[in-house]
Amino acid sequence: AQSVTQLDSQVPVFEEAPVELRCNYSSSVSVYLFWYVQYPNQGLQLLLKYLSGSTLVESINGFEAEFNKSQTSFHLRKPSVHISDTAEYFCAVSDRSGGYQKVTFGTGTKLQVIP
Amino acid sequence: DVKVTQSSRYLVKRTGEKVFLECVQDMDHENMFWYRQDPGLGLRLIYFSYDVKMKEKGDIPEGYSVSREKKERFSLILESASTNQTSMYLCASGGSGGAYEQYFGPGTRLTVT
Repeated sequence: AQSVTQLDSQVPVFEEAPVELRCNYSSSVSVYLFWYVQYPNQGLQLLLKYLSGSTLVESINGFEAEFNKSQTSFHLRKPSVHISDTAEYFCAVSDRSGGYQKVTFGTGTKLQVIP
Repeated sequence: DVKVTQSSRYLVKRTGEKVFLECVQDMDHENMFWYRQDPGLGLRLIYFSYDVKMKEKGDIPEGYSVSREKKERFSLILESASTNQTSMYLCASGGSGGAYEQYFGPGTRLTVT
């Protein structure tokens, strides 16, 4: 069985400050890792993903996440946040179970960017 | 551009009513999913389908059923709505083979009174 832990339910941060949203997972097999973002009154959309290869993955809007196998973590970081980054962020893990890929989502972290 | 649409953004129903939530995707994806989203609980999988007329229970299927008669359409049915089914319902679709991302609809906020 796989699981995802996002310990921080809310993270307030001032505009232009750096931020890290934490994600830890557990799984008995190889995993794929994702970060999704949900803006107010919208569905989720993929921010970035780790499938294989380089452990550092980046998004087009300045976020990055690093896969750390030994610590079973996939933390999301941004060196300088903008007001428009205010949203809820979900970490997700996927492995092969029963011939299909089940995706398990974390409980989400609300990022509040303060002007 | 990829698109997943849901039949309603907001819905108010009475206890005991039968409720249909519809989802349509235009990406020719094999897999479709229904989740409910509640504060502090994240997304929980209700049902998913990996092919037409095929369905599998997710983590919280009780009180729900689904129908997939066409590849692009996946319906969630609440046979007899109850107040504890008040929630945000999200539909998603995804391709098969390898690691795939899921594409989400905008969600339906259902209130059962």
